[in-house]
Amino acid sequence: NAGVMQNPRHLVRRRGQEARLRCSPMKGHSHVYWYRQLPEEGLKFMVYLQKENIIDESGMPKERFSAEFPKEGPSILRIQQVVRGDSAAYFCASSPLPPQRQAGNEQFFGPGTRLTVL
Amino acid sequence: KQEVTQIPAALSVPEGENLVLNCSFTDSAIYNLQWFRQDPGKGLTSLLLIQSSQREQTSGRLNASLDKSSGRSTLYIAASQPGDSATYLCAALTGTASKLTFGTGTRLQVTL
Repeated sequence: NAGVMQNPRHLVRRRGQEARLRCSPMKGHSHVYWYRQLPEEGLKFMVYLQKENIIDESGMPKERFSAEFPKEGPSILRIQQVVRGDSAAYFCASSPLPPQRQAGNEQFFGPGTRLTVL
Repeated sequence: KQEVTQIPAALSVPEGENLVLNCSFTDSAIYNLQWFRQDPGKGLTSLLLIQSSQREQTSGRLNASLDKSSGRSTLYIAASQPGDSATYLCAALTGTASKLTFGTGTRLQVTL
């Protein structure tokens, strides 16, 4: 059973361009979470999605950021008109159950995408 | 709002020492607490998950404890090795939220 897959692993964009980050959850997992790790800071929650639904986007910046998890295919985190402050590592995690359904429900993390904005 | 703090921020120990990493959280209404390891430039590796009803979990040389009433968890590493050098993160899944709240980590270096 392959783990959580993220691509690309490294992404370089110039200011004003768009960045698309992809996440394929573990097989059988229908709950996806995105986290961001800014340089020298801890991981911060961004958004929680189930198939075709955004459940909690309380950590998403109000502008330029969007996320989706379509019925088919990977989850996508999209950043429009990137700025230097968007440079960070973006991690995706997945779980088989909703977060509070079972106390032993573990979130499994992917290797991350490191975004550099020039 | 859940806040998670880890102390110390950095720790250097000689090989073979036993050590304890500390994690504290402000909201005791947690579902579980996870400990992760992160190597430089890499992703997160899950080490241990403690459910809210549990007091501790063990895996090899690692032992994690949880005291919900005091808002604390500790990660005990026995007989440390240079390969244990990494940043260790704790994260709490709070009952009212769907997200993990992470601490800022303890950077561990085990020297020969």
